[in-house]
Amino acid sequence: KAGVTQTPRYLIKTRGQQVTLSCSPISGHRSVSWYQQTPGQGLQFLFEYFSETQRNKGNFPGRFSGRQFSNSRSEMNVSTLELGDSALYLCASSGGGQGAERLFFGSGTQLSVL
Amino acid sequence: GNSVTQMEGPVTLSEEAFLTINCTYTATGYPSLFWYVQYPGEGLQLLLKATKADDKGSNKGFEATYRKETTSFHLEKGSVQVSDSAVYFCALTPWAGSYQLTFGKGTKLSVIP
Repeated sequence: KAGVTQTPRYLIKTRGQQVTLSCSPISGHRSVSWYQQTPGQGLQFLFEYFSETQRNKGNFPGRFSGRQFSNSRSEMNVSTLELGDSALYLCASSGGGQGAERLFFGSGTQLSVL
Repeated sequence: GNSVTQMEGPVTLSEEAFLTINCTYTATGYPSLFWYVQYPGEGLQLLLKATKADDKGSNKGFEATYRKETTSFHLEKGSVQVSDSAVYFCALTPWAGSYQLTFGKGTKLSVIP
């Protein structure tokens, strides 16, 4: 069974640009969560989607948005990039309805903003 | 709000040494507690969990006990191996069915032969 797949693996952007990251969950999983990992702030929850609906959102500005498609694949978008958005963005999926104990994480997309 | 505090390290131990990584939390209600591990170049993996007070989570020789009176969930292993070298994260969710994890800053463990 394939794991959580995130593309691309690496991205380099410049300030002011926008970026879209993609996440394909494990087959059959309907919940997708996104996290930002930085050396300074650590791992922080961005948002969670279930069946195309955002169920929870972390404390991030409106420049960070996401969506989920009918096949459960998810994308997150960051507009007007800032240097501080440089981070590893992790996606996690779950299908068991048992919360975080059934979360499976992808390897992440490393975003560098120059 | 909810928060998790863990010793940040880095921690360097010799093989077969005893490991303790301290973790304390602040949360209302009945949070679930987790330890995750991140090996170099890999994604986060759940190491162990506990969903109520006095529960002990265990996996791969690691253990942690949910202590509500001290709001702690310390990670322990009796004899570490080189293969245990990784970054360890303590985390909580506000309730058992939640997907919204609050993480500690992580502790980098290096085990030397």
